[in-house]
Amino acid sequence: GAGVSQTPSNKVTEKGKYVELRCDPISGHTALYWYRQSLGQGPEFLIYFQGTGAADDSGLPNDRFFAVRPEGSVSTLKIQRTERGDSAVYLCASSEMGGTDYGYTFGSGTRLTVV
Amino acid sequence: AQTVTQSQPEMSVQEAETVTLSCTYDTSESDYYLFWYKQPPSRQMILVIRQEAYKQQNATENRFSVNFQKAAKSFSLKISDSQLGDAAMYFCAYRSPPAGNQFYFGTGTSLTVIP
Repeated sequence: GAGVSQTPSNKVTEKGKYVELRCDPISGHTALYWYRQSLGQGPEFLIYFQGTGAADDSGLPNDRFFAVRPEGSVSTLKIQRTERGDSAVYLCASSEMGGTDYGYTFGSGTRLTVV
Repeated sequence: AQTVTQSQPEMSVQEAETVTLSCTYDTSESDYYLFWYKQPPSRQMILVIRQEAYKQQNATENRFSVNFQKAAKSFSLKISDSQLGDAAMYFCAYRSPPAGNQFYFGTGTSLTVIP
């Protein structure tokens, strides 16, 4: 596609529920990134994919968070047993390749609200 | 870990005037990249300007320019001839190759443009 697409745009869920957030990167971009932006803060890195594999997952806060990219294109961020502290905007970005910011493009994010 | 500090939570400027947004960072590395991103209410992070640390010349993009002081670890953004469409959150960001698969962002500055 022309840009990075994230769905849903907004998601409200109850504490303890499971959620999936989807990111569709720019066609041909091999690198994909997830960030979390809490209220009043800048985005914080969660995980980086190069192709199908998670090359760097050092930003995932705990084992309730997991992400996949099975075919090297669309990625899904999965959050189990959601907590109110997980409420944030989850941003996805993609770039032409890892280790570079060429073509680094962000999506508009998913605003997750845990009630 | 690298830290990026933006000490101005809010700034305002009269339309057609000039405003400068401040950013400082902390790193022990000599090779890195610095960025200013704009985030309008649509939430998408939009690249404003990029600076390579090994280049002494300050980057410019039309009405946007930076004052990069490597020794002082300072990277300010100057917006000239401010326009109503410049109103947004502005984030300073740092990235360090070769392991630089993630951006480190500051906490942002909210810019208001007064007609």
